[in-house]
Amino acid sequence: DADVTQTPRNRITKTGKRIMLECSQTKGHDRMYWYRQDPGLGLRLIYYSFDVKDINKGEISDGYSVSRQAQAKFSLSLESAIPNQTALYFCATSVTGTDTGELFFGEGSRLTVL
Amino acid sequence: GESVGLHLPTLSVQEGDNSIINCAYSNSASDYFIWYKQESGKGPQFIIDIRSNMDKRQGQRVTVLLNKTVKHLSLQIAATQPGDSAVYFCAERPFSGGYNKLIFGAGTRLAVHP
Repeated sequence: DADVTQTPRNRITKTGKRIMLECSQTKGHDRMYWYRQDPGLGLRLIYYSFDVKDINKGEISDGYSVSRQAQAKFSLSLESAIPNQTALYFCATSVTGTDTGELFFGEGSRLTVL
Repeated sequence: GESVGLHLPTLSVQEGDNSIINCAYSNSASDYFIWYKQESGKGPQFIIDIRSNMDKRQGQRVTVLLNKTVKHLSLQIAATQPGDSAVYFCAERPFSGGYNKLIFGAGTRLAVHP
């Protein structure tokens, strides 16, 4: 079983609909992240959370919100989806205290907004 | 199929040859540099990292070189194998950004031919 699990893996929706992408992890890490991947642009940080009471905006947070329901769960919401939010979304985790750049990624959630 | 690789520069190599993937980074204050590998349909996976006070680090079949003078990072893969075919991302961690707020490059596709 994957250590970082994202649901759904694929979703097609219509403009204006509310969408939630969920992430759960069994790694016991306290830090969680949501990234967006677009062709030719690499990954861009949407939101990150360093513990249950901590939520921070990344570089492209407009149009998104997050909720850290528990240490193991971090969900990403699109309140009113628009076509340019069509992308591949990744959840990632990392552990406090390790002085490296290692993130552990889920397998991604592909979202298509029509 | 995996659309994340569209529009990416591609490096084509013969199986058994050495591969060199290059990356230019932007922030002189970054303290860590990391290489990730992304196989089709999967999330990025950590390969190797290097601190800003080093210029070379070796792993199993991989070597990362850092040239801070020209802000250049490279990943060398020895004896490239078909399983090395993937998209490779470099990432930097700005020192002021906090742990693991990484900035990713756009990626390079490595295609290994028999």
